[in-house]
Amino acid sequence: AAGVIQSPRHLIKEKRETATLKCYPIPRHDTVYWYQQGPGQDPQFLISFYEKMQSDKGSIPDRFSAQQFSDYHSELNMSSLELGDSALYFCASSSTKTGYNSPLHFGNGTRLTVT
Amino acid sequence: DQQVKQNSPSLSVQEGRISILNCDYTNSMFDYFLWYKKYPAEGPTFLISISSIKDKNEDGRFTVFLNKSAKHLSLHIVPSQPGDSAVYFCAASGSGGSNYKLTFGKGTLLTVNP
Repeated sequence: AAGVIQSPRHLIKEKRETATLKCYPIPRHDTVYWYQQGPGQDPQFLISFYEKMQSDKGSIPDRFSAQQFSDYHSELNMSSLELGDSALYFCASSSTKTGYNSPLHFGNGTRLTVT
Repeated sequence: DQQVKQNSPSLSVQEGRISILNCDYTNSMFDYFLWYKKYPAEGPTFLISISSIKDKNEDGRFTVFLNKSAKHLSLHIVPSQPGDSAVYFCAASGSGGSNYKLTFGKGTLLTVNP
């Protein structure tokens, strides 16, 4: 079965640069979530989109923005990168059509290293 | 403020025995609970879930128990296998509306010894 696809898998950037992470949800999933996981930490919710509209916002810095496109893929844009942005970034998708209680399915993440 | 707590960072069990992973939560608005398993360099993989209207859900070797009054849930793995060795995250969601986002615990590293 198709899973959530994230690209790139690894990304190395310097401080103050920008980065764009991409996420392709499972086909027919209408909701996309972005999570950030620092070393030894639990995944922290950043932002979510339902049917291409932002549906919820968590601890996402103002330097970050995200959107969901007409084909349902999503991009997380990160500007003025800081060393503390180094983390694993996970995208997840789910379908509300299967009911309220629908598990999120995660991609394998993008490991961002800021030097 | 950690709303989902996994107080055991690690757990080691022998192959064939039962693994019990525990999770506590503080937000009474949570009504859906999930367990995810995570291997290094991979994303969390959904294992099993339970709605707050139930107190037990079973799927093969995995059983999740929910005690709403104690705000506690546990994952039982019987029998444990070496391939079960991974980090297990407890997660919760709720409060209705479109608030489907998950809040995670910090994870428990399970090691199953052959």
